[in-house]
Amino acid sequence: AQSVTQPDIHITVSEGASLELRCNYSYGATPYLFWYVQSPGQGLQLLLKYFSGDTLVQGIKGFEAEFKRSQSSFNLRKPSVHWSDAAEYFCAVGGSYIPTFGRGTSLIVHP
Amino acid sequence: DAGVIQSPRHEVTEMGQEVTLRCKPISGHDYLFWYRQTMMRGLELLIYFNNNVPIDDSGMPEDRFSAKMPNASFSTLKIQPSEPRDSAVYFCASSGDIQYFGAGTRLSVL
Repeated sequence: AQSVTQPDIHITVSEGASLELRCNYSYGATPYLFWYVQSPGQGLQLLLKYFSGDTLVQGIKGFEAEFKRSQSSFNLRKPSVHWSDAAEYFCAVGGSYIPTFGRGTSLIVHP
Repeated sequence: DAGVIQSPRHEVTEMGQEVTLRCKPISGHDYLFWYRQTMMRGLELLIYFNNNVPIDDSGMPEDRFSAKMPNASFSTLKIQPSEPRDSAVYFCASSGDIQYFGAGTRLSVL
């Protein structure tokens, strides 16, 4: 069975600082991997996805993620966080059309 | 495309009443999903459809919950009778190969 672990429930960073959100997955084959962001009162919006190919994936809003098969990880990074990045971030893994979502990491940005 | 459209955005009802949530998926998407999000349980998949046919409803919590997809452009999630523990945000999502979410319906059952 596929599963996703986001070990950090909350992450607090200062505006302008770098960010890394952790995601570990369990899946029997090469996974499809996703990061979504949810702003308050909104639905989930796709930030980026990995299906195959280059293991460093660029997404919207300046985010990137790196697929590391040996570590079963797909961590999300951003070099400089903006106050508007404060939101809930979800990692997801799936073989095709039905991803499994992690519990989410809440990002708090201090001015 | 306007994206996945859900209505209503907010619903407040009393225990025992019937609640119907509506969803219009993105045109051309052949999968439709219903999720429930709460602080306690996070994002739960309730049911999903493929080409209007329910494929897996194992996430539907009780017989009080039912979902239909009469055509490719419309789906409903019904709760009858509603209970306070059903209070949550309900999301509809549709996909080709990537899921796109609606803005959700915030349900409060008093």
